Amino acid sequence: EDQVTQSPEALRLQEGESSSLNCSYTVSGLRGLFWYRQDPGKGPEFLFTLYSAGEEKEKERLKATLTKKESFLHITAPKPEDSATYLCAPRGTNAGKSTFGDGTTLTVKP
Amino acid sequence: GAVVSQHPSWVICKSGTSVKIECRSLDFQATTMFWYRQFPKQSLMLMATSNEGSKATYEQGVEKDKFLINHASLTLSTLTVTSAHPEDSSFYICSARRQGYEAFFGQGTRLTVV
Repeated sequence: EDQVTQSPEALRLQEGESSSLNCSYTVSGLRGLFWYRQDPGKGPEFLFTLYSAGEEKEKERLKATLTKKESFLHITAPKPEDSATYLCAPRGTNAGKSTFGDGTTLTVKP
Repeated sequence: GAVVSQHPSWVICKSGTSVKIECRSLDFQATTMFWYRQFPKQSLMLMATSNEGSKATYEQGVEKDKFLINHASLTLSTLTVTSAHPEDSSFYICSARRQGYEAFFGQGTRLTVV
C-alpha cells in the first residue's frame, strides 16, 4: 500500500526565515510526485510535478526536490502570503491515483 | 495551468434530500476525474475515481449508492449525494486529469445538511 508522511505537521516562520518541508513516501513504481498548496476553504492549487530522483523545480520562493524516498519543498525568504497548507501526493502504478499526505500548515508572520 | 470549475461552491440542504455537485474541466479533456472529501484540518480523502464513459471506482468504505458519480463526458463529472444526512456535511473537492499529466482541482463545495 502506498504511504506518504509529511513533516512537520505545522511550521511557523518569521518573514524571511527560510526552511524546508519534508514528504517521505513509499509507492510502487513512482509515476510522479506532485506538490500542491491549499488555502482554507479552497481546492488545492498545483505547484510542481517531479518525476525522477535528482529532479528539481522552482517557482518564485519555492523549490521542490526529489530523491527515491522523499521530497523536499524549500521555502526561501518566505512572505506572509506563503502561509497555506502544502500537500504532497506521489502517484504510483496503483490504479493511477495519487496518495495525499496530511500536509504541512505553514504560517509566516510578518 | 488548466482550469477546473466546481459548482456550487456551497450548498445547504435539508436532511433526506439529494444534492448534485458538478465538476467541469474548462480548457482540457479530462480522461480521469477524482472526488475527494475533506474534514476540517484533515487531508483529502479519496472517495472515487471516474473515467469517462465507465463506472466509477469507489474507495473502500464509500457507499456507492449514496454517492452517485457520473462521468458523462470528457469535461464533466457529477457527484450526487443522495438522501443526505447531517453526517454528510463536509467539503467535497473534485480534480481532473489528462492522461499522463498532473491533476487540477476545483474550488470545492461546502455541503451543509440541516
